[in-house]
Amino acid sequence: GEDVEQSLFLSVREGDSSVINCTYTDSSSTYLYWYKQEPGAGLQLLTYIFSNMDMKQDQRLTVLLNKKDKHLSLRIADTQTGDSAIYFCAETTRGFKTIFGAGTRLFVKA
Amino acid sequence: GAVVSQHPSWVICKSGTSVKIECRSLDFQATTMFWYRQFPKQSLMLMATSNEGSKATYEQGVEKDKFLINHASLTLSTLTVTSAHPEDSSFYICSARDEKGQTYEQYFGPGTRLTVT
Repeated sequence: GEDVEQSLFLSVREGDSSVINCTYTDSSSTYLYWYKQEPGAGLQLLTYIFSNMDMKQDQRLTVLLNKKDKHLSLRIADTQTGDSAIYFCAETTRGFKTIFGAGTRLFVKA
Repeated sequence: GAVVSQHPSWVICKSGTSVKIECRSLDFQATTMFWYRQFPKQSLMLMATSNEGSKATYEQGVEKDKFLINHASLTLSTLTVTSAHPEDSSFYICSARDEKGQTYEQYFGPGTRLTVT
């Protein structure tokens, strides 16, 4: 079945890079996403990558996709305290359903 | 970018009553909308896919008579929690796909926090 897994917690110092990892099981995924959720709020789309791409960079964000291993990562360069949030990895299947991971709580220490 | 709104943003109701939550796409049309439920410190669980003009498709384990979905127009879907109980307390989030946009474009509402007392 469809499943998305990610580590639950990550703590970094301000200014360091953060790397959040995710694995998925559905090889027919079309798009993979990273969403950010701040406390009590909805989801904000950070970035996405199409399944035939290996890498995508958008300002401080770098997404790497290893389709063979079904592994997705999000790197945040120069992490700031404002980046503290929960980050969800998600995939969209061919049926246009979006499956979410459990979320990684990023804590940035000043 | 496209905006999805939800109303109300929070609601408290008594056990046994029904609560309606609205999800609107403000500047685009959405044939398909999705309803998610999120428990504290947990991920989003897809409850159902709402299709304009037809019946919603519910995920396994979600009671369709408990969670009534109506998608009467291209910009509005409603979720009604019927005979609510404390275990229905949760954060409900909707999303909508922009039918004229790229396939990846799915926009999320800000969520509705339901508390059943």
